Amino acid sequence: NAGVTQTPKFQVLKTGQSMTLQCAQDMNHEYMSWYRQDPGMGLRLIHYSVGAGITDQGEVPNGYNVSRSTTEDFPLRLLSAAPSQTSVYFCASSLTGSTSGNTIYFGEGSWLTVV
Amino acid sequence: GDSVTQMEGPVTLSEEAFLTINCTYTATGYPSLFWYVQYPGEGLQLLLKATKADDKGSNKGFEATYRKETTSFHLEKGSVQVSDSAVYFCALRSYGGSQGNLIFGKGTKLSVKP
Repeated sequence: NAGVTQTPKFQVLKTGQSMTLQCAQDMNHEYMSWYRQDPGMGLRLIHYSVGAGITDQGEVPNGYNVSRSTTEDFPLRLLSAAPSQTSVYFCASSLTGSTSGNTIYFGEGSWLTVV
Repeated sequence: GDSVTQMEGPVTLSEEAFLTINCTYTATGYPSLFWYVQYPGEGLQLLLKATKADDKGSNKGFEATYRKETTSFHLEKGSVQVSDSAVYFCALRSYGGSQGNLIFGKGTKLSVKP
C-alpha cells in the first residue's frame, strides 16, 4: 500500500524557474492538500481540494497553483520560484473533508531550495 | 479563526523521565484533535487522536485527553526513550472553522538523552 507519494524528494531551482511537485494517493481519498513547513512556523496550508475538479486556497496560496483533474493526483505548481519558497512541502490526504475525525495522512515531503 | 498553541521547545529530557507537552486550542464548532510526530528527515505520522470531549487518545505509551472545559489536549508519556526524540505537533480539524483542514501548532522539539 503506497499511501501518499510525493516526487521529487529533493529539488534545487533557480529564481524565476517554474516546476511541479507531484502528489498521488492510492486510497481513493476525496480530500487532498498541500502544506509547507518552515522553521518556527509549523505547517501552513497552501491549497486544498475536497474532490476532483474542486480546489480552494489555504493560508499561504500566493505563488502556487493547483488542479485536481483526478481523484488520485493533486500537483502543486510553482509559477516563478522565489527564495521565499525555499521550504519543505507536504502533500496530505484523507477520506473526506466533511468529517473532522478522519485522519489526514502525509507524504514523506519534498525539500525545495530556490537559489 | 481556529488556532492551536503548544509549548515552545526545545525540550530536553533524560531517558525514563516523564513528558508533558502542553497544547491548547481555539475553535468554532466541534473539532477533532490530533498529535502528529515527525522524526528527523521524515514526514508526519499520526501519533494519536480524539474526536470528542473526554476522549483519550493513546499510542506507543503516549496519551492525551480532549478537555473541552479547558480547551486543551496535552501530550503525556510516563517514561520517554531516546527513540522518542522528534518534533511533536498538536493539530485540530474542524469542518466548521477550518473547512476540514488541519490547523497546526508550531511544533515542539523533544530530545531525549541516554
